[in-house]
Amino acid sequence: GENVEQHPSTLSVQEGDSAVIKCTYSDSASNYFPWYKQELGKRPQLIIDIRSNVGEKKDQRIAVTLNKTAKHFSLHITETQPEDSAVYFCAVPGGGADGLTFGKGTHLIIQP
Amino acid sequence: EAGVAQSPRYKIIEKRQSVAFWCNPISGHATLYWYQQILGQGPKLLIQFQNNGVVDDSQLPKDRFSAERLKGVDSTLKIQPAKLEDSAVYLCASSLVLAYSEQYFGPGTRLTVT
Repeated sequence: GENVEQHPSTLSVQEGDSAVIKCTYSDSASNYFPWYKQELGKRPQLIIDIRSNVGEKKDQRIAVTLNKTAKHFSLHITETQPEDSAVYFCAVPGGGADGLTFGKGTHLIIQP
Repeated sequence: EAGVAQSPRYKIIEKRQSVAFWCNPISGHATLYWYQQILGQGPKLLIQFQNNGVVDDSQLPKDRFSAERLKGVDSTLKIQPAKLEDSAVYLCASSLVLAYSEQYFGPGTRLTVT
């Protein structure tokens, strides 16, 4: 099955600085790469996704970059704010269906 | 638009007991997923339905877990008998049938097995 590795497990940044979270995957046939945000005690929510026909996608302060050759994709958050504090998960569809295999998560802490 | 509904929100049972969770997906979403999220980990897919058919149940521990989606709408996930390691949040998600559509998660059911 699909194997997804996510780094770092914890990331602490000063408010206003940028944060980058990276994921690597094993199945070269994967072509959909979402990122989910999960606040404490809440449900995961999609914040951005990218398909394999593009290398980068931006949505205001959030961007995702994809390197299919190296089989990794990254989440970039610029001008971080206190409300960005949460756990972020990358995911990749596994096998022939589109149920997701999630990474282990990155706890992002925004320091005031 | 109403979101994915789940009940109960919390459940505490003793090991070897049985438990059932219910999920009502977003109206019009043909695809339904059940995930298990153990504390400190990412969600793990247990089963995926499209309408009332199973698409993927390769990670469902079938000796104790079962799921059904009669009539292609609501779904139930059952554990019998429960083990201590089943303590987790059980998340239901739904999406349109289009490939790689956004998955919308419900609030989850937090199960504690003592």
